[in-house]
Amino acid sequence: EAGVTQFPSHSVIEKGQTVTLRCDPISGHDNLYWYRRVMGKEIKFLLHFVKESKQDESGMPNNRFLAERTGGTYSTLKVQPAELEDSGVYFCASSQFTGTSGYNEQFFGPGTRLTVL
Amino acid sequence: RKEVEQDPGPFNVPEGATVAFNCTYSNSASQSFFWYRQDCRKEPKLLMSVYSSGNEDGRFTAQLNRASQYISLLIRDSKLSDSATYLCVATQPGAGSYQLTFGKGTKLSVIP
Repeated sequence: EAGVTQFPSHSVIEKGQTVTLRCDPISGHDNLYWYRRVMGKEIKFLLHFVKESKQDESGMPNNRFLAERTGGTYSTLKVQPAELEDSGVYFCASSQFTGTSGYNEQFFGPGTRLTVL
Repeated sequence: RKEVEQDPGPFNVPEGATVAFNCTYSNSASQSFFWYRQDCRKEPKLLMSVYSSGNEDGRFTAQLNRASQYISLLIRDSKLSDSATYLCVATQPGAGSYQLTFGKGTKLSVIP
């Protein structure tokens, strides 16, 4: 079974440009999470989708970040306009629907390494 | 104060050694705890869950002390392949979300 995939693996852009990251979760996983690791810091939560709905976007840093998950399948994370401090590794994770059974393991994708110059 | 704190290391140990990592968490509402392993430039992967009763998986033992808000991971008979960064992770469920809160990680290098 295919794991979580992310595209691109690397992206180098200039400050002020726009970048769109894509995540394809494991098939059948309703939960999709975005996380980010800035150099020297811990991995931090950005937001959580359940199917196509944003369940929790408390970790989104500001309104330059826009996440979508149309149709409840793949998700995109757009940064517009990009700033220097947006550089880091963006991870996507997916898990099966939680319901009342509590936490289900989150499987991570390989990440997109974003460099803003 | 960070929500999940770990000693960053690095821990450099010889093959066959026993090594222990510690972690503390600040949010008493945290419900579930895990150790993830992350190899260089790779994604985090779940190593094991952590329970108050203790959890053992082969050479790995994890322990949770809720009263002290302390989590540990013990690796016995270290192998070269154990070299990685070990991430202490807690969940803070809210509004139906199980967002993971990560520590910065502890780097382990097992030396021949």
